[in-house]
This record gives sequence, structure tokens and C-alpha cells, in this order.
Amino acid sequence: DTAVSQTPKYLVTQMGNDKSIKCEQNLGHDTMYWYKQDSKKFLKIMFSYNNKELIINETVPNRFSPKSPDKAHLNLHINSLELGDSAVYFCASSHTATDTQYFGPGTRLTVL
Amino acid sequence: AQSVTQPDIHITVSEGASLELRCNYSYGATPYLFWYVQSPGQGLQLLLKYFSGDTLVQGIKGFEAEFKRSQSSFNLRKPSVHWSDAAEYFCAVGAFHFGNEKLTFGTGTRLTIIP
Repeated sequence: DTAVSQTPKYLVTQMGNDKSIKCEQNLGHDTMYWYKQDSKKFLKIMFSYNNKELIINETVPNRFSPKSPDKAHLNLHINSLELGDSAVYFCASSHTATDTQYFGPGTRLTVL
Repeated sequence: AQSVTQPDIHITVSEGASLELRCNYSYGATPYLFWYVQSPGQGLQLLLKYFSGDTLVQGIKGFEAEFKRSQSSFNLRKPSVHWSDAAEYFCAVGAFHFGNEKLTFGTGTRLTIIP
């Protein structure tokens, strides 16, 4: 009965590879988000989607492409991975754009 | 643009002692303010939030926070900490961006509890 789930939990890959992180919420929320937490624990929003429509795109390199096949899913695809992409990526969701955001457990991405 | 400052990177308190974590924000309008906790290897859990009304907000796990507009602060308090409170604490301010709420987080305060 996990509210916001992410897969995988850990992802180790080589520079230049393409990888995806999946996020699913079973809360019936309309809005979903991706955040990046760097090695200093600084959390920054990357994207938000409302009813499958991109609302916020925070100057993220276009190697990062979110995809929302339906309201319950927001996947993050990353092309040509770089060392600086190593971080913990959190998915979150909220009932509406103004409601409390609920976070997933995070995906730790390590680029070698 | 909004911003959040958590002046204390790391705080150590004894179990049973009181706790106050500081948070200062900068935002041009009435802020929506949040405190989240992140246990090691875990996601973020909402402790409490302030949208409007009573400036003293009660949250889960015995935490409370007080919104002080004149000081642009939203400090988190707990009268008696437990060892299980050891975690990273994040203050955040919410702003609306094209109808969506955008959270801006502080850099976090790591709380260590000593027996």
C-alpha cells in the first residue's frame, strides 16, 4: 500500500548511458514532481506535471526528459549520463497543485 | 524569488532535552511554510505546515513550529527529543508557479541525539 513508489532504489551506471527512473503514486493525486538531492543534501525541484501536462521545468538540461503516461505515473529518462548527474532523485505527488506534497523513497543514481 | 535559510548545519542534543531548529525565509507574499524530516536512506516525511491562521502549528511526532512574520522565521521545536528523532530536517517555502506549488528547500539541519 505504498503511496509514492520509485524504481529502482539504486542505479549504478557508466557515463554516456541512458537510464530511466519510474515513479508511481496510488493516492489519486493530479500533480507529480521530480526533485534532485545533491551530495550536500540540497533539494531542488526539476519538474512538475499536472494532469499529465508539464508545468514546471527548472532549467534542467534537456538530457532529462520526464514522461507522464497517465496521472499516476511520472517517469524520468536521462540521456548521456554525466558524472554530475549522480544524486538522489525524489518523486513526489500532491492532490492538487496547492496541496501537501508526498515524497517517494528516492532513487540513488551513481554515474561512474 | 523565494529562498530559505537554515543557519545550523548540524545540531547535537541530549535525549530528553528540548530542541529548536531555525528557519528563515524570503518571499514577497504570504508564504506557505513546511518542515520535512528525512531519516537516513529514506524519503521526506511532512512534519507540519503553515498556510494561514494560527501562527503556532502542531505537527506529528510532538513537533510544533511558530510562524513569525516580523522575523521571517518558522522555527521548529520539540520539548523533549527521542533517539528516533535523529534525522535531517528541511524547511521549505511554497510559492505558486503557473498554478502549481513550487517548494524551495533550505539546505537542511542534521540532528544528532546523544544518550
